[in-house]
Amino acid sequence: EEQLVQSGAEVKKPGESLRISCKGSGYKFTDYWISWVRQMPGKGLEWMGRIDPSDSDTRYSPSFEGHVTISTDRTTSTVYLQWSSLKASDTAMYYCTVVTTGYWGQGTLVTVSS
Amino acid sequence: EIVLTQSPDTLSLSPGERATLSCRASQSLTSTSLAWYQQKPAQAPRLLIYGASIRATGIPDRFSGSGSGTDFTLTVSRLEPEDFAVYYCQQYGRPPWTFGQGTTVEIK
Repeated sequence: EEQLVQSGAEVKKPGESLRISCKGSGYKFTDYWISWVRQMPGKGLEWMGRIDPSDSDTRYSPSFEGHVTISTDRTTSTVYLQWSSLKASDTAMYYCTVVTTGYWGQGTLVTVSS
Repeated sequence: EIVLTQSPDTLSLSPGERATLSCRASQSLTSTSLAWYQQKPAQAPRLLIYGASIRATGIPDRFSGSGSGTDFTLTVSRLEPEDFAVYYCQQYGRPPWTFGQGTTVEIK
């Protein structure tokens, strides 16, 4: 069964760093680009960026470029989303997904609060 | 950046009725790189349609997608109780990929 499994919920303070993960299984990991999607509390879906696991080519939405980094480790079939300095406004649910296949992770809730 | 505008914001209908949701793009999508998702509270989105009109695996045939260029439509032929949810369109043809703001289909 094809699936994306994300790391667990995180509670952080402003200014801290964080890396969350998304592990693919049940399919050839390098066949599909993986995107990250943000959903702030009570709000809609926002596309943050995507990575091609076969060559690590990455594209970001202008709204997120420079604030997050997307990376991959092909040896573990894992994609990462990381922040070097969190803000309270980063509080949200984050999903990884492969467009056109229907693969979605279960979501990782990130809470940033002092 | 391609802006997707969904209408209406909220659709109030009864079970058994037909739902028609619109998604309009600010620029023509050069290919039919348009998807529709359904999201229920506390759940991840679920892919319904991709390529503007191709039903995803396991999606009932009461869901259909159509359109090209700048105007796209998701139709639910007869609403079932489990279809009341929020629906989003997404274009994935030109980066940055973007979502519409969502349409809530609520029980009348």
